[in-house]
Amino acid sequence: EPEVTQTPSHQVTQMGQEVILRCVPISNHLYFYWYRQILGQKVEFLVSFYNNEISEKSEIFDDQFSVERPDGSNFTLKIRSTKLEDSAMYFCASTQGGGGADTQYFGPGTRLTVL
Amino acid sequence: RKEVEQDPGPFNVPEGATVAFNCTYSNSASQSFFWYRQDCRKEPKLLMSVYSSGNEDGRFTAQLNRASQYISLLIRDSKLSDSATYLCVVNGDSGYSTLTFGKGTMLLVSP
Repeated sequence: EPEVTQTPSHQVTQMGQEVILRCVPISNHLYFYWYRQILGQKVEFLVSFYNNEISEKSEIFDDQFSVERPDGSNFTLKIRSTKLEDSAMYFCASTQGGGGADTQYFGPGTRLTVL
Repeated sequence: RKEVEQDPGPFNVPEGATVAFNCTYSNSASQSFFWYRQDCRKEPKLLMSVYSSGNEDGRFTAQLNRASQYISLLIRDSKLSDSATYLCVVNGDSGYSTLTFGKGTMLLVSP
């Protein structure tokens, strides 16, 4: 069964450093998402991406965050200058269509720890 | 503010028990509703979509009441492997597919 993959599984970084989290969505999917989950809290939407541009973003997704699809397979989330409060699990998801009923398939996540 | 509220749990039940989870959502324009399951430190996985007519998948039954903005999940004949956190999830309005998650209700099934 096709699946979303993410690398690395765990990233440790110093406050103020830049990090890039990588995702490979399911190959025939066209809509891509990033979510985060701070330990013990709910999953929160960050950004959605379609046709090489952001289609929606939350208030969490400020100027420190950016997304990119650098090639035909990867989808990345960059945090320019990490803060302690960016420590969380970051999940990538993808869907084939953009309708609300389309199933979102989640990757296994990257655990980001900011020291 | 769009919110999804769930029973905080945890629910501790013996094997074979029936357990029900409740969820309310605030955005009346929401169009699609789901129950996801999340194991500890793992990604959310779709358990089932929820339809207005109610739907059943084996031991799992989901109900939606749009008027009350209420969603439920019933698990019959609980198994040890059902132990997980159950997430109530609602999509955005206007057909956008961004998801709003509840905090989840933890279920612990014991022998």
